[in-house]
Amino acid sequence: KAGVTQTPRYLIKTRGQQVTLSCSPISGHRSVSWYQQTPGQGLQFLFEYFSETQRNKGNFPGRFSGRQFSNSRSEMNVSTLELGDSALYLCASSPRAGGETQYFGPGTRLLVL
Amino acid sequence: QKEVEQDPGPLSVPEGAIVSLNCTYSNSAFQYFMWYRQYSRKGPELLMYTYSSGNKEDGRFTAQVDKSSKYISLFIRDSQPSDSATYLCAMSDQAAGNKLTFGGGTRVLVKP
Repeated sequence: KAGVTQTPRYLIKTRGQQVTLSCSPISGHRSVSWYQQTPGQGLQFLFEYFSETQRNKGNFPGRFSGRQFSNSRSEMNVSTLELGDSALYLCASSPRAGGETQYFGPGTRLLVL
Repeated sequence: QKEVEQDPGPLSVPEGAIVSLNCTYSNSAFQYFMWYRQYSRKGPELLMYTYSSGNKEDGRFTAQVDKSSKYISLFIRDSQPSDSATYLCAMSDQAAGNKLTFGGGTRVLVKP
């Protein structure tokens, strides 16, 4: 089976712009979660989608949003980018909701200038 | 104080030694415990998954969970230079769905 894929892999934006990141889960997986990884804060949970519904949300401002499509692919959007949004954004997929093993993609590295 | 604490290292060991990693946590609701390995500039790779307390072995890797002490461990036997990476513990509870809470990661260096 193909693993989790994320596009683009690298992105450079300037402050105030918005960005959309994409994630394709492992075939048959219906849960997609997003995480932000920074050197200072480590890996932090952004949100989880299951069957097109957001099930859980982390402590991030409303500038961070996401959605999931009927084929389980997911996108996350960050509006009005700030310098502090520079990070590795990781997507993880899981077969079902709740306590399942999660498999991570390679991430999208975002640099905000 | 963070919910999950993990020594950042670095932990340097000679090739062939046993690598011992651990995490402590404060949330007694955590039931699912995972260990991930992350190489530089890559996504985390799942190594071990354990539900509730007990031991689990997979090849050179052994994971232990002690819920009474809120303490989990990962042991890597016969360590190899290719094991040099950052190791992250992660945990979740049923009520939080698939939300994982991570430790900060321990950087491990296995010297030939």
